[in-house]
Amino acid sequence: KQEVTQIPAALSVPEGENLVLNCSFTDSAIYNLQWFRQDPGKGLTSLLLIQSSQREQTSGRLNASLDKSSGRSTLYIAASQPGDSATYLCAVSLDGNYGGSQGNLIFGKGTKLSVKP
Amino acid sequence: DGGITQSPKYLFRKEGQNVTLSCEQNLNHDAMYWYRQDPGQGLRLIYYSQIVNDFQKGDIAEGYSVSREKKESFPLTVTSAQKNPTAFYLCASSILYPQNSPLHFGNGTRLTVT
Repeated sequence: KQEVTQIPAALSVPEGENLVLNCSFTDSAIYNLQWFRQDPGKGLTSLLLIQSSQREQTSGRLNASLDKSSGRSTLYIAASQPGDSATYLCAVSLDGNYGGSQGNLIFGKGTKLSVKP
Repeated sequence: DGGITQSPKYLFRKEGQNVTLSCEQNLNHDAMYWYRQDPGQGLRLIYYSQIVNDFQKGDIAEGYSVSREKKESFPLTVTSAQKNPTAFYLCASSILYPQNSPLHFGNGTRLTVT
């Protein structure tokens, strides 16, 4: 059974620091991996989606990498800002759809990031 | 603006009552999903639908029911049979093809049952 783990559960950094959030998964046969951001009391916003054939994706100050063989993904945030404070979740899909016995999206519990001014 | 609207944002009910959570999307997405989020746990799939008038159970469907009469709408009913209904409920949608399309979420409904 696929399991997704995010460590640490919480992280506090000073503004301007570069940081890395980690995500690991137990079954390397994934179709894609997504990183989401969740603000308190809000829904999730998709940040980056990495297909299984890709090694990384970039959007602005965010860079996500994927190493399927080792079951790991990292989300790199450059020059962190207080506005980056949120919970970051990763999720893996086994077949690119998000329902069904194979396609259910498996979420980690998230890393709560706090960026201090 | 295109998006997913969930209403209400907060909902309070007495134990034993059924309650329906609304989810509407104007993204023209075929697939819609309901997730439940509890503190300290990842999101768990309740129900999903890939086409009008068809839906499938997710991992934790017991005590819930859904309908998909229109492409834009996917309401979730939390019945009195759900043993622990207090939670944050998230609706999401996606296109089916191509695969590898991101999932879009609404802002959630926080349900409190006392």
